[in-house]
Amino acid sequence: EDQVTQSPEALRLQEGESSSLNCSYTVSGLRGLFWYRQDPGKGPEFLFTLYSAGEEKEKERLKATLTKKESFLHITAPKPEDSATYLCAVQPKTSGTYKYIFGTGTRLKVLA
Amino acid sequence: SAVISQKPSRDICQRGTSLTIQCQVDSQVTMMFWYRQQPGQSLTLIATANQGSEATYESGFVIDKFPISRPNLTFSTLTVSNMSPEDSSIYLCSVRKGGLPGEQYFGPGTRLTVT
Repeated sequence: EDQVTQSPEALRLQEGESSSLNCSYTVSGLRGLFWYRQDPGKGPEFLFTLYSAGEEKEKERLKATLTKKESFLHITAPKPEDSATYLCAVQPKTSGTYKYIFGTGTRLKVLA
Repeated sequence: SAVISQKPSRDICQRGTSLTIQCQVDSQVTMMFWYRQQPGQSLTLIATANQGSEATYESGFVIDKFPISRPNLTFSTLTVSNMSPEDSSIYLCSVRKGGLPGEQYFGPGTRLTVT
């Protein structure tokens, strides 16, 4: 069964304290892996798409990496405005309707 | 990217009633999706809405409970019928853009509370 697990569930960091969020996945063939940011009361905001193992994408303080079993979202020198829930989703190759499978997210709180 | 709006942004409804949620996109898209996000849980796909054809529902979701319309390439509605407190959730509209696998963009969501 296709599955996505994110860890930790919640993370508190001091401003400037770098860390990584994990997304482990089990799928029968990966078409793509996606990272989203979700602020309270809002819809998910698209961040990155990763297609194959070894690929990396960067945006400001965020860097996403992908292996055959997991993806990491590295946050370098975070600021309070980076506080949000970060969601990971995968699209299996068997997904005829382009269905995404989402993890439950990591709630990040960055303290000033 | 895509700019997506939803109406209403939130509502409180009585048990047994129905609510229709509207989703408007700023450009024509082939595929639109409806998701549910329950508190503390991940997003769950309800159905895929393609213009000119019947919506495709995921396991556990049926047309009688969640009828969907897709009259054109920029608009869709989701109705939550005969509501119960278990239907309290955030309902999200999304669209897919680009080639495979494509990227999905989400609307701001509709927060529904059923009393």
